[in-house]
Amino acid sequence: DIQMTQSPSSLSASVGDRVTITCRASQDINNYLAWYQQKPGKVPKLLISAASTLQSGVPSRFSGSGSGTDFTLTISSLQPEDVATYYCQKYITTPPTFGGGTKVEL
Amino acid sequence: EVQLVESGGGFVQPGRSLRLSCAASGFTFDNYAMHWVRQPPGKGLEWVSGITWNSATIAYADSVKGRFTISRDNAKNSLYLEMNTLRPEDTAFYHCTKDVGPGSWGWFDPWGQGTLVIVSS
Repeated sequence: DIQMTQSPSSLSASVGDRVTITCRASQDINNYLAWYQQKPGKVPKLLISAASTLQSGVPSRFSGSGSGTDFTLTISSLQPEDVATYYCQKYITTPPTFGGGTKVEL
Repeated sequence: EVQLVESGGGFVQPGRSLRLSCAASGFTFDNYAMHWVRQPPGKGLEWVSGITWNSATIAYADSVKGRFTISRDNAKNSLYLEMNTLRPEDTAFYHCTKDVGPGSWGWFDPWGQGTLVIVSS
């Protein structure tokens, strides 16, 4: 099975900071990668599909990039409402595995 | 508005069984694959099982293979998860989630609120 490794597992940043989260696949997954945001006490919300396609309604400060095995989620200017745990997920093949998550705190 | 509402969770002893249900509304249910994803309290996400629109393709995580059975009833807009021989490590919130397409597999959107399963003696 393809493993998904996120780093860091947690980070602390200030409002306005640029935040970058990395997700690495153990094999080439092309661009079959999604990013989810899970705020405390809430269910996961889809942010990005196909590695870089921002979902409707998601603020433009969020962006995704990468292909193959290395991917990044970037928050260009961290806002208080962005405090959450972020998960990457590879899809298309079974199992559709999630990364371990990155907790973003202020 | 798409809604996914899970039910059937609860407290159960190790070795026993439980059946989860997910009632879907707000979209054409039989046009989409569906999944169960679980999350132990305070921990990360684990995909459990997925089923294509016509039940032709079904898949399970290794951790539940042979113990859990996913099914769907398109006439009732419902998804199910039959969980047998439950173990303490199955304790988690179980979320029903909709795939982006009918086949295997796309990204998941949206997610239900989840139903909590606690396996303990």
